[in-house]
Amino acid sequence: DSGVTQTPKHLITATGQRVTLRCSPRSGDLSVYWYQQSLDQGLQFLIQYYNGEERAKGNILERFSAQQFPDLHSELNLSSLELGDSALYFCASSAGSQGVGYEQYFGPGTRLTVT
Amino acid sequence: DAKTTQPTSMDCAEGRAANLPCNHSTISGNEYVYWYRQIHSQGPQYIIHGLKNNETNEMASLIITEDRKSSTLILPHATLRDTAVYYCIVRLRDRGSQGNLIFGKGTKLSVKP
Repeated sequence: DSGVTQTPKHLITATGQRVTLRCSPRSGDLSVYWYQQSLDQGLQFLIQYYNGEERAKGNILERFSAQQFPDLHSELNLSSLELGDSALYFCASSAGSQGVGYEQYFGPGTRLTVT
Repeated sequence: DAKTTQPTSMDCAEGRAANLPCNHSTISGNEYVYWYRQIHSQGPQYIIHGLKNNETNEMASLIITEDRKSSTLILPHATLRDTAVYYCIVRLRDRGSQGNLIFGKGTKLSVKP
């Protein structure tokens, strides 16, 4: 158990819909990262937050957004869903300050299926 | 971050040592070698990291060559539960604002009874 929790575990929704994925980092970790893993793309970095502020963006679509709340949990919002958005979405957290990337601990993931 | 090269797949007999190689010939002096693994569809799991000295923890050992151009992750007594994709990642420990990991394709290790 990494100490990172993600909800829900599974999500099935239709094209065009909007969903929210939730992540709670390990106790004391200030950085949260979101990654997407689809069959043909492997693990891709989406976005990073540190202590409530966006720190880095990867290959995140404009239809996707995220935020980190004062209690440090984070949410990833996916809108206008397409079939190609079906994937595993992982959240990771790390200690470290000022966005420094130390060892990252991953949650169990949310499997999103868009039909 | 330096590029890494890993074999696509490897087999190992249960109870034997699994030695997973990684080439990183363009590594710079302040870049670390990190290893993560992903058991089928689970979240990636941090294993170990090192700079230039060999490292050991409860999960594995990391052997880095003297010129730092390659390394080997050793699982001393592989079990069926070690079947996973193993990722070798080379990066600065402090990358400023960008702390994300860049995953390649990794090595699929199959531990067989």
